[in-house]
Amino acid sequence: QKEVEQNSGPLSVPEGAIASLNCTYSDRVSQSFFWYRQYSGKSPELIMSIYSNGDKEDGRFTAQLNKASQYVSLLIRDSQPSDSATYLCAVKGPGGSYIPTFGRGTSLIVHP
Amino acid sequence: NAGVTQTPKFQVLKTGQSMTLQCAQDMNHNSMYWYRQDPGMGLRLIYYSASEGTTDKGEVPNGYNVSRLNKREFSLRLESAAPSQTSVYFCASSERLQGPSSMNTEAFFGQGTRLTVV
Repeated sequence: QKEVEQNSGPLSVPEGAIASLNCTYSDRVSQSFFWYRQYSGKSPELIMSIYSNGDKEDGRFTAQLNKASQYVSLLIRDSQPSDSATYLCAVKGPGGSYIPTFGRGTSLIVHP
Repeated sequence: NAGVTQTPKFQVLKTGQSMTLQCAQDMNHNSMYWYRQDPGMGLRLIYYSASEGTTDKGEVPNGYNVSRLNKREFSLRLESAAPSQTSVYFCASSERLQGPSSMNTEAFFGQGTRLTVV
């Protein structure tokens, strides 16, 4: 069974700090990787997608992918209280495998 | 541009009642999914439809049925609701990008249905 593992947290960081969220996956042929943010009572919304090894930056967010080690991470720079949410890692296989597999999510708390 | 629309947003059922959760997407996506989300369990796949006319079981299909009515609509039916089906249900859709790598787009989610079975 394909697995996506995340530390459930909560991860607590002070405002302005860097928050680092990690995710490991079991399926070596996975090709598409996504980070979602989910506020309490709301639906998941996409923050970042990454498909190639290395870093991908978008504003305060950086996704990092290492396929050899089978992990993907999300860095949030200059964390704000509004970043407090649950962050879900999702992984998809190649080609005909359309189904995203989600981790259980990491709760992030950014305190003033 | 509505994206993925789910109805209803809230529902309370009595044990044994039946109901259908509706989902429609206007992004012309081929793939659609139904997930349930319970505290501490993350998103678990109930059923999915890779394309119009096909449906397959996911991780937790027992007690549910689905219909892919057309490319836009994918409904989830509870034939005889049980308290264990109390959950938040999300419908999602995605598309497969063209090209040799055949990568997939992200899943776009509806706003969710909060179902309570008493």
